[in-house]
Amino acid sequence: DSGVTQTPKHLITATGQRVTLRCSPRSGDLSVYWYQQSLDQGLQFLIQYYNGEERAKGNILERFSAQQFPDLHSELNLSSLELGDSALYFCASSVATGLAGELFFGEGSRLTVL
Amino acid sequence: GDSVTQMEGPVTLSEEAFLTINCTYTATGYPSLFWYVQYPGEGLQLLLKATKADDKGSNKGFEATYRKETTSFHLEKGSVQVSDSAVYFCALKAQGAQKLVFGQGTRLTINP
Repeated sequence: DSGVTQTPKHLITATGQRVTLRCSPRSGDLSVYWYQQSLDQGLQFLIQYYNGEERAKGNILERFSAQQFPDLHSELNLSSLELGDSALYFCASSVATGLAGELFFGEGSRLTVL
Repeated sequence: GDSVTQMEGPVTLSEEAFLTINCTYTATGYPSLFWYVQYPGEGLQLLLKATKADDKGSNKGFEATYRKETTSFHLEKGSVQVSDSAVYFCALKAQGAQKLVFGQGTRLTINP
């Protein structure tokens, strides 16, 4: 158990819909990362927050947005969903940022868009 | 940009065989290098890491050496077990960067 909690574990929805994925980082971790894992693209970095502020942005679509709340949990919002958005979405956390430290990953939220 | 290339899978071996999973990287400066492992139905877990050239990371019988001259960080294990069946990801973190950049992953299956 990494200490990172993601909900829901599985989600099935239709094209055009909107979903919210939630992540609670390990106790004491200030940094949260979101990654998308798909069969053809591998693990792609989406976005990182540190103590409530956006720190780095990767290949995140404009239809996607995220935020980190004062209690440090984070949400990833995916809207106008397309079939190609079906993937496993991972959240990871770390104590700080910019260090060669370990990222702790949750078990992921599997999104299926029909 | 920064990138990681690792050997295509899937890789299937018999128990007690020797394992090598190749990983090479492209990055400016001196990145930190990592191997993560993903067991079925779970998230990624750090297996080992190396933060400077010639460092050797090791854990659970796995080893990898940071070779700057060949920009490589190959994963090795002398005698694999069925429980080592998983997907293995090589990753780098560039100097001053916030994120990890992952390779495509290599699925390893060990048969008894």
